[in-house]
Amino acid sequence: DGGITQSPKYLFRKEGQNVTLSCEQNLNHDAMYWYRQDPGQGLRLIYYSQIVNDFQKGDIAEGYSVSREKKESFPLTVTSAQKNPTAFYLCASSWGQAGQPQHFGDGTRLSIL
Amino acid sequence: AQSVTQLDSQVPVFEEAPVELRCNYSSSVSVYLFWYVQYPNQGLQLLLKYLSGSTLVESINGFEAEFNKSQTSFHLRKPSVHISDTAEYFCAVTQNRDDKIIFGKGTRLHILP
Repeated sequence: DGGITQSPKYLFRKEGQNVTLSCEQNLNHDAMYWYRQDPGQGLRLIYYSQIVNDFQKGDIAEGYSVSREKKESFPLTVTSAQKNPTAFYLCASSWGQAGQPQHFGDGTRLSIL
Repeated sequence: AQSVTQLDSQVPVFEEAPVELRCNYSSSVSVYLFWYVQYPNQGLQLLLKYLSGSTLVESINGFEAEFNKSQTSFHLRKPSVHISDTAEYFCAVTQNRDDKIIFGKGTRLHILP
């Protein structure tokens, strides 16, 4: 089955620690996206990538980093510079053209110990 | 700049009653519109989309939405809700020359027995 796989489902971070969230897709989509979801805030775009080896900052990129070395993979690192990392993180992919819907993974819930 | 406003953060409705979830958008150019549904602890799933053509679009599970350009609205309706419709619903918009999607803050639909 084609889809997007996010792992782990739950993740805990200690103060001062970097953590990496995995996102893999087998839909052959060109574009991939990371969103942060907080209660009552909707989805906010962190980073997006429209092609391998290229990515752009979204609305709330501070304290996060990404890489896009393979078409299928778009990992997100939450760095120690992100002071309020507790949230639900969603990865999505699409064909990257206007009007194309995004397909979402099931999310990773990050909490601070 | 584009924006999406979902006027109700929560909507309680009795089972088998009709429901309307409201969505208004602002954009100076032509847009594409989407409704997504999110069940607890899951990612978002596309419910329906408007790209062009008929202003009334339908989903496979009985939801429909109508694009109203003069009122810049894309309200979601269902004539008779079921307990399984309990979820959070997100309205989203993208410009016709851009792949990035702007999401509303969501409306939580509570089905009362």
